[in-house]
Amino acid sequence: AQTVTQSQPEMSVQEAETVTLSCTYDTSENNYYLFWYKQPPSRQMILVIRQEAYKQQNATENRFSVNFQKAAKSFSLKISDSQLGDTAMYFCAFMNSNNNDMRFGAGTRLTVKP
Amino acid sequence: DTEVTQTPKHLVMGMTNKKSLKCEQHMGHRAMYWYKQKAKKPPELMFVYSYEKLSINESVPSRFSPECPNSSLLNLHLHALQPEDSALYLCASSQGLGGATYEQYFGPGTRLTVT
Repeated sequence: AQTVTQSQPEMSVQEAETVTLSCTYDTSENNYYLFWYKQPPSRQMILVIRQEAYKQQNATENRFSVNFQKAAKSFSLKISDSQLGDTAMYFCAFMNSNNNDMRFGAGTRLTVKP
Repeated sequence: DTEVTQTPKHLVMGMTNKKSLKCEQHMGHRAMYWYKQKAKKPPELMFVYSYEKLSINESVPSRFSPECPNSSLLNLHLHALQPEDSALYLCASSQGLGGATYEQYFGPGTRLTVT
């Protein structure tokens, strides 16, 4: 079974600074997908960024980028120029390529301070 | 339209009640999901429907009964629940099964309290 580990329960960052959230996973599969989801307080879960395991290039979406290290089974999220609206719970998630059984990490609660 | 809607937003029910949660999407997606999320915990997958057929059942107790009447609609029927079933129930949908292009879109959830 796949497991996803987020070792940072809580983090904080000053507005406009950069922060990195860590995620590791365990799998015997070669083809899979990784995601970072954001869940603001009392609001809907939305996808921040995704990475296909077969792609070596790290995914980037505006201020959000990942550092995907397949051999180390590591998938960290970097948020640049942090904004107050980035305050949320961030979940790392793993999904097999052949089904949509998505497994989430425990989450990291990020607070952006003014 | 990239919206997944869920009704009701809040539900309080007794242990002997029967109630249903509803989820709807009009994005033409063919896969729909139910997740359970306890406070300060990640979502846990309950059921997956693909093309209106149950694809995954994560050993969920029979007091939870899913139903997919058509490709746009997903219900979760509740009966004889326990207080520990109180949680946020999230619905999601995707184009299909498998692949990063099948990003899951989540609804706002139904907050269920069992008394």
